[in-house]
Amino acid sequence: ETVLTQSPGTLSLSPGERATLSCRASQRVSNNYLAWYQQKPGQAPRLLISGASIRATGIPDRFSGSGSGTDFTLTISRLEPEDFAVYYCQQYSRSPLTFGGGTKVDVK
Amino acid sequence: QVQLQESGPGLVKPSETLSLTCSVSGGSITSYYWNWIRQSPEKGLEWIGFISYSGSTNYNPSLKSRVSISADSSKAQFSLNLISVTAADTAVYYCARDTGVGDGFDIWGQGTMVTVSS
Repeated sequence: ETVLTQSPGTLSLSPGERATLSCRASQRVSNNYLAWYQQKPGQAPRLLISGASIRATGIPDRFSGSGSGTDFTLTISRLEPEDFAVYYCQQYSRSPLTFGGGTKVDVK
Repeated sequence: QVQLQESGPGLVKPSETLSLTCSVSGGSITSYYWNWIRQSPEKGLEWIGFISYSGSTNYNPSLKSRVSISADSSKAQFSLNLISVTAADTAVYYCARDTGVGDGFDIWGQGTMVTVSS
């Protein structure tokens, strides 16, 4: 199975700052089938990015995804108050589909 | 717009069967892939499996011997059965849609907490 390792575990930042989240796969993610999700307490995950870099419908352009192969990045250009949450990457290149352990972005 | 809603018992006894249903409103299940995913503090987010629009299934090998997913297109519902549950199966269970064209899980239910305890 493809193991996804996210770093850092926690990112403490202030509103307006830039957030850079990493997701590393134990094997190549073909077709860039890598998604990013945002989850707030008590809510289901929300799709932000698919195909490593394609924003989902309604997602603000301050969210961007990049990377290929085994290394992927989610960037939030300027943190808004509503962006403080946990972020997960997920690969859907090969079965079983797997998720990373998450990065919590909290207020510094 | 399409919405998903999980339903089922919130408490299941050890060794018994966990059964959940996901109701799809605003659309049909005769397209796309319909998934079950669970989340616990111990294991994080774990994909359980899917049933496709054609009725084919794919399960996580870690659960394959205990899980089955079925669908009733006339009711726009799909269901999860997990047999021989233990405390390790305690989690929030989500249903989610995958369009199958490389979009990931684009629509999720709100989730339902299932506790395995006597």
